[in-house]
Amino acid sequence: QSVLTQPPSVSGAPGQRVTISCTGNSSNIGAGYNVHWYQQLPGTAPKLLIYVNSNRPSGVPDRFSGSKSGTSASLAITGLQAEDEADYYCQSYDNSLGGYVVFGGGTKLTVL
Amino acid sequence: EVQLVQSGAEMKKPGESLRISCKGSGYSFTNYWITWVRQMPGKGLEWMGTIDPTDSYTKYSPSFQGHVAISTDKSISTAYLQWSSLKASDTAMYYCARHASMGGDGDYWGQGTLVTVSS
Repeated sequence: QSVLTQPPSVSGAPGQRVTISCTGNSSNIGAGYNVHWYQQLPGTAPKLLIYVNSNRPSGVPDRFSGSKSGTSASLAITGLQAEDEADYYCQSYDNSLGGYVVFGGGTKLTVL
Repeated sequence: EVQLVQSGAEMKKPGESLRISCKGSGYSFTNYWITWVRQMPGKGLEWMGTIDPTDSYTKYSPSFQGHVAISTDKSISTAYLQWSSLKASDTAMYYCARHASMGGDGDYWGQGTLVTVSS
């Protein structure tokens, strides 16, 4: 059971908008720690998609955006494309048990 | 160009020892922490631990403390993940990633090392 909770799956048709939530608590996201998002295409290593809540690394399309509020964060993908079908993970930091890095359980995005 | 290049796939028996590696290039190795992440077949990402190559300060996940060892050799810009006694449940893909700080984003990742433990 992951400390950060994500929906196991989401889906959308090409061109649509989907959001993926990442829910934490007062010792991680709610404590003010940043949230980062990764995309993992089938059979490949994770790739940084969003850093520090809402920033896109160079080369990431602006169809991808991130936000954070309270104890949760969200990843939004607009203009859905077939190539967006992948697993998405959020990551943050938790200050309990001496402090450690935490990942969400991952969300499988299916493009219908 | 920043790269993290991991050692190749390994097939081991239960009880055997193993060390896999992650070599950084294209940046100053001691300016970034290295994290190891486990991904079991069909499962999500799990943080194992993070090391600061400057002084080898290491933080382990409680789930992996005592079962693995993380180290670096900064003279050759390489981080290691080591087991002294493998179990079948260690079968997984292992990734290294660099972070500017503990809890920071992993901006570059290795390609992964598949470890298979079977009798």
